[in-house]
Amino acid sequence: AQSVAQPEDQVNVAEGNPLTVKCTYSVSGNPYLFWYVQYPNRGLQFLLKYITGDNLVKGSYGFEAEFNKSQTSFHLKKPSALVSDSALYFCAVRDKYTDNQGGKLIFGQGTELSVKP
Amino acid sequence: EPEVTQTPSHQVTQMGQEVILRCVPISNHLYFYWYRQILGQKVEFLVSFYNNEISEKSEIFDDQFSVERPDGSNFTLKIRSTKLEDSAMYFCASSSGWNQPQHFGDGTRLSIL
Repeated sequence: AQSVAQPEDQVNVAEGNPLTVKCTYSVSGNPYLFWYVQYPNRGLQFLLKYITGDNLVKGSYGFEAEFNKSQTSFHLKKPSALVSDSALYFCAVRDKYTDNQGGKLIFGQGTELSVKP
Repeated sequence: EPEVTQTPSHQVTQMGQEVILRCVPISNHLYFYWYRQILGQKVEFLVSFYNNEISEKSEIFDDQFSVERPDGSNFTLKIRSTKLEDSAMYFCASSSGWNQPQHFGDGTRLSIL
């Protein structure tokens, strides 16, 4: 079965420093990977996706993620963290799909990112 | 930018009562989903809907749950006889294609007393 794991419940970073939020995946076949962010009392906002192509994917708000097939990882990164980046981050993999199924998302448990001034 | 909207934002219901959660997906989207997030736990898939029928459902989505797209714009989740363990945040999502991102609403917090 498809799955993702986020090994860190919480990541603490000083503002201006680079940040990394880790994600590893386990899939059969080619992975379709996503990152979402959740601010308090809000839904999940799409940040970026990896379907195919370049291993470095750029997304919203200056975030990027690096797909590493040999390490089965898809870590989220940002060169310079902002206090406003503090939120809950979810990695997700799209489950197997057919043209009429759309493929549900399977989420990791989430990582709380805290950026301090 | 178009958004998925969900109503109500918070629903409090007595155990055993029926509840309907409402969603308006993004207008040109074709795939619709419900997920839930129990406090402190991960987001879990409930059901997906395409071409006016359920395309996939999880073990959570038992006979007490149903979905409907009654008028081409709304997408509803009904729980017939609520249980305490149904208390959670329920998220609706939609996407324009199977390989496109799913866009989520802000959720309905369901509290069962």
